[in-house]
Amino acid sequence: DAKTTQPPSMDCAEGRAANLPCNHSTISGNEYVYWYRQIHSQGPQYIIHGLKNNETNEMASLIITEDRKSSTLILPHATLRDTAVYYCIAFYSGNTPLVFGKGTRLSVIA
Amino acid sequence: KAGVTQTPRYLIKTRGQQVTLSCSPISGHRSVSWYQQTPGQGLQFLFEYFSETQRNKGNFPGRFSGRQFSNSRSEMNVSTLELGDSALYLCASTDRAGRAEAFFGQGTRLTVV
Repeated sequence: DAKTTQPPSMDCAEGRAANLPCNHSTISGNEYVYWYRQIHSQGPQYIIHGLKNNETNEMASLIITEDRKSSTLILPHATLRDTAVYYCIAFYSGNTPLVFGKGTRLSVIA
Repeated sequence: KAGVTQTPRYLIKTRGQQVTLSCSPISGHRSVSWYQQTPGQGLQFLFEYFSETQRNKGNFPGRFSGRQFSNSRSEMNVSTLELGDSALYLCASTDRAGRAEAFFGQGTRLTVV
């Protein structure tokens, strides 16, 4: 079962920042937080991951709270092409697969 | 670099038949995982292969099987198809086992009638 909980859906105006929350209050200290997204009819796409520190790449920023109980994925300037289902996943490197929950359906509105 | 290639993209089969799906990972990637996606259950892990060995298996019946070849290409087979097997089957590759930065293919849409 997924160790994360996310809101089922969110809307965001085009050009504005999209802030997608994720609760992972039960993850252990060596579990990373990974984010993927799935645009309609495509395979999931890796976005970003982190353990304790905030992370940023060309796609997004990941803010992890100090107690690691929650995190927020930030798309700084959302476009219509960012409309997708976003998955937050707790992952421990080793012999466990990626476990996808229900995710958040983000709709970017013009 | 070519991405993960899954063939065929679409497939229609009859109940009771069997089906084989193929996945070619990114060049140099040796780990391949398979997922089933349905509207009701979402994305569910089927199995993972690394260097021709199954490393991990999800909670699916024995009708679902897979294998990996020496060139890292992978196939999954579903025997005695049921209506509930209709789904999008996704393959993902990583450069080594245990990594979560996976690259997914476009999937094979299987419809069982």
